[in-house]
Amino acid sequence: SQTIHQWPATLVQPVGSPLSLECTVEGTSNPNLYWYRQAAGRGLQLLFYSVGIGQISSEVPQNLSASRPQDRQFILSSKKLLLSDSGFYLCAWSGTVSDGYTFGSGTRLTVV
Amino acid sequence: AQSVTQLGSHVSVSEGALVLLRCNYSSSVPPYLFWYVQYPNQGLQLLLKYTTGATLVKGINGFEAEFKKSETSFHLTKPSAHMSDAAEYFCAVRPSNDYKLSFGAGTTVTVRA
Repeated sequence: SQTIHQWPATLVQPVGSPLSLECTVEGTSNPNLYWYRQAAGRGLQLLFYSVGIGQISSEVPQNLSASRPQDRQFILSSKKLLLSDSGFYLCAWSGTVSDGYTFGSGTRLTVV
Repeated sequence: AQSVTQLGSHVSVSEGALVLLRCNYSSSVPPYLFWYVQYPNQGLQLLLKYTTGATLVKGINGFEAEFKKSETSFHLTKPSAHMSDAAEYFCAVRPSNDYKLSFGAGTTVTVRA
């Protein structure tokens, strides 16, 4: 069966520090991968999605970037965090178009 | 483009009462529709989905939803609320020709004893 792993679960980082959040999927190949952010009162915001290795689409211009170095690995990064980067970050994957997304357990990021 | 509107950001129900969460969508092509549940500090979990076929779909935890094309709606119901149903619920739409899922703003459900 397919599983999705996301870590760390919580993270407290100072303003200006770098960020790296990792997501991996097991039990499937060539998944579509997504990064979402959930900020208080702002719902689910799609940040990046990827349909293949090295293929990244950005939905929102911001302080973050994403990479997909391997088929089932998706990384969210920042060189310098801002206070506004705080939020709950969710990774997800999907297969066929009729599939829903399967979400990871999320990372709570607090920038102080 | 597609969009989702969830009517009511907060719903409060008594334990044992009907849960009704409203969702309306817009899509230029036939949509796939989903409901997700999120418990505090957890990821989203798929409750149910509509792709094709029967318009009344049953999901986990006793929830069901009915796709009404004429009303562009996909309302979620549960006949009898349980304390464990307290969570946030998201309706989502995915056009049949696109991989991206669009979410509604979410509805927080509280269950009163």
